[in-house]
Amino acid sequence: GDSVTQMEGPVTLSEEAFLTINCTYTATGYPSLFWYVQYPGEGLQLLLKATKADDKGSNKGFEATYRKETTSFHLEKGSVQVSDSAVYFCALSMKTSYDKVIFGPGTSLSVIP
Amino acid sequence: NAGVTQTPKFQVLKTGQSMTLQCAQDMNHNSMYWYRQDPGMGLRLIYYSASEGTTDKGEVPNGYNVSRLNKREFSLRLESAAPSQTSVYFCATSQGYGYTFGSGTRLTVV
Repeated sequence: GDSVTQMEGPVTLSEEAFLTINCTYTATGYPSLFWYVQYPGEGLQLLLKATKADDKGSNKGFEATYRKETTSFHLEKGSVQVSDSAVYFCALSMKTSYDKVIFGPGTSLSVIP
Repeated sequence: NAGVTQTPKFQVLKTGQSMTLQCAQDMNHNSMYWYRQDPGMGLRLIYYSASEGTTDKGEVPNGYNVSRLNKREFSLRLESAAPSQTSVYFCATSQGYGYTFGSGTRLTVV
């Protein structure tokens, strides 16, 4: 069945370090891909999305490119800040009778000054 | 613009008690969802409603019931709470691509 795999956390980085969180997916058909972020004590927020192969989603300095050939959607940021500390979820969406979304397990990121 | 509003934010129940978690959206979205989030388990879909008047089971529906009262409101009911239902519950809406989540209800069953 459809699934999303993310790199295991937690990830700890120093401020201004480069961030990569790996995400790969398995799906029949052509899903849309998303990254969501969850700050402590809050619900998930949509961070960025890509709806077709080779699309690049970007927001708040984060980027991810939809790679169909490697079934991947890795999240990157060039210089992380303490305020980026959160849990990041990769997800895919398939259009069925409803907007079916499958979430990865989440990767916890801590950025230290 | 409130988006998705969940009430209550926190609740402690005794085993066997019942309660209803409320969710309301002002985004005019057709689809609404209830998820639970547990450590190490990620997000699991309990029930969803693709449109007003319809509801369907998700991945973990046992022990729960839902009501899609109108387009705005989607409630989740625990008829007889069990400690295994201790979790954080999230309501979400969508129309097209991407979900909008509420801020969650943290439920503890003792």
